[in-house]
Amino acid sequence: DIVMRQSPDSLAVSLGERATINCKSSQSLLSESKDFLVWFQQKPGQPPKRLIYWASTRDYGVPDRFSGSGSGTDFTLTISNLQAEDVAVYYCQQYYSEPLTFGGGTKVEIK
Amino acid sequence: EVQLVESGGGLVQPGGSLTLSCAASGFRFSGYWMNWVRLPPGKGLEWVAIIGRDGSEKYYIGSVEGRFSISRDNAKNLLFLQMNNVRADDTAVYYCVGGAGYLFDFWGQGTLVTVSS
Repeated sequence: DIVMRQSPDSLAVSLGERATINCKSSQSLLSESKDFLVWFQQKPGQPPKRLIYWASTRDYGVPDRFSGSGSGTDFTLTISNLQAEDVAVYYCQQYYSEPLTFGGGTKVEIK
Repeated sequence: EVQLVESGGGLVQPGGSLTLSCAASGFRFSGYWMNWVRLPPGKGLEWVAIIGRDGSEKYYIGSVEGRFSISRDNAKNLLFLQMNNVRADDTAVYYCVGGAGYLFDFWGQGTLVTVSS
């Protein structure tokens, strides 16, 4: 099984500042020049919303302050210019192979 | 508009059984892989099972293998999760999720399953 490790577990960032979330997989997610890694945002009482797929492709309608980077086993989600509505739990997830696995989540709050 | 509506959640005793259903609309159901993903209280997301477009391929997380069964009815646009011999750690909100291949493209609102005596 591919283990996904996220860090930190939580972080508090001031409005307008940058939040950085890291995700590390136990094996490479790269195949045929594509990384099988997505990022989700989940707010309380709501289903997750996908933000990024193929590690760095932003979903339609997702603000450009959200960006994904990395390849192989190390990935990063960056939220630039943090807004109040970005308070949520963020998850990385690999779709390279079964079992499909998530990171443990990172809770983002306002400082 | 794509819609996935789960039903069938509730309170079940340890060792009991429950069947979850998911009604799909707004997209060509038979063209998508379908999943169940759960969110236990106070914990993170966990993928449970996936079924291929025609139902011939099925994969499960190890902790539910042999106890849960995923199935679909493409004629009625329905997805199911048969849960047998449930345990306390199966308590969670269960989401119906559809996508192209292994991507999770759209999610239902979820249904709560509570395993308790």
